[in-house]
Amino acid sequence: KQEVTQIPAALSVPEGENLVLNCSFTDSAIYNLQWFRQDPGKGLTSLLLIQSSQREQTSGRLNASLDKSSGRSTLYIAASQPGDSATYLCAVWGDNYGQNFVFGPGTRLSVLP
Amino acid sequence: ETGVTQSPTHLIKTRGQQVTLRCSSQSGHNTVSWYQQALGQGPQFIFQYYREEENGRGNFPPRFSGLQFPNYSSELNVNALELDDSALYLCASSFGAGEIGSEKLFFGSGTQLSVL
Repeated sequence: KQEVTQIPAALSVPEGENLVLNCSFTDSAIYNLQWFRQDPGKGLTSLLLIQSSQREQTSGRLNASLDKSSGRSTLYIAASQPGDSATYLCAVWGDNYGQNFVFGPGTRLSVLP
Repeated sequence: ETGVTQSPTHLIKTRGQQVTLRCSSQSGHNTVSWYQQALGQGPQFIFQYYREEENGRGNFPPRFSGLQFPNYSSELNVNALELDDSALYLCASSFGAGEIGSEKLFFGSGTQLSVL
């Protein structure tokens, strides 16, 4: 059974800092890993999708890496802004657990002005 | 905006009642997935519908059921509501089902269900 964990559970940083969010998964047989953003009481917005054959993906100030063999992914946010405040979730898609994503619990990020 | 709309946005029910949640998928998408998200947790997969057929189910009891219509919109029905059913219910649409490359999901804003 796939289990996804995220550390830390919550993070508070001053504006302008670079930061790293961590995601770990127990079953390395995944097709891809995705990072999502969720604002309070809202749905999820996809940020970055990394296929299992890839090592990283970049979009603007966001960079996500994937080490499938060790079951880890990181999301790097450069020059954080108050608008980045949200919960960030990682999710993995694989063949061993049906047609669905398995999500981590998320990291709640607060960027202070 | 993802083009996925859910209704209602909020709902209050009492234990034992039945509820129906609705989802309109993004134009061109033929697959709808439903997730339950309890407070402070990640979403949990309930089931997926592809071309009006259930195409995968998570660890939820049979009182959670669904439908997909010819226009690919969908309903989630929950019977005999329990207090633990209180959660945000998210609908996500995509094109294709379980195929590699079909995993790009577009989520709606969810329905917040409170069971008293």
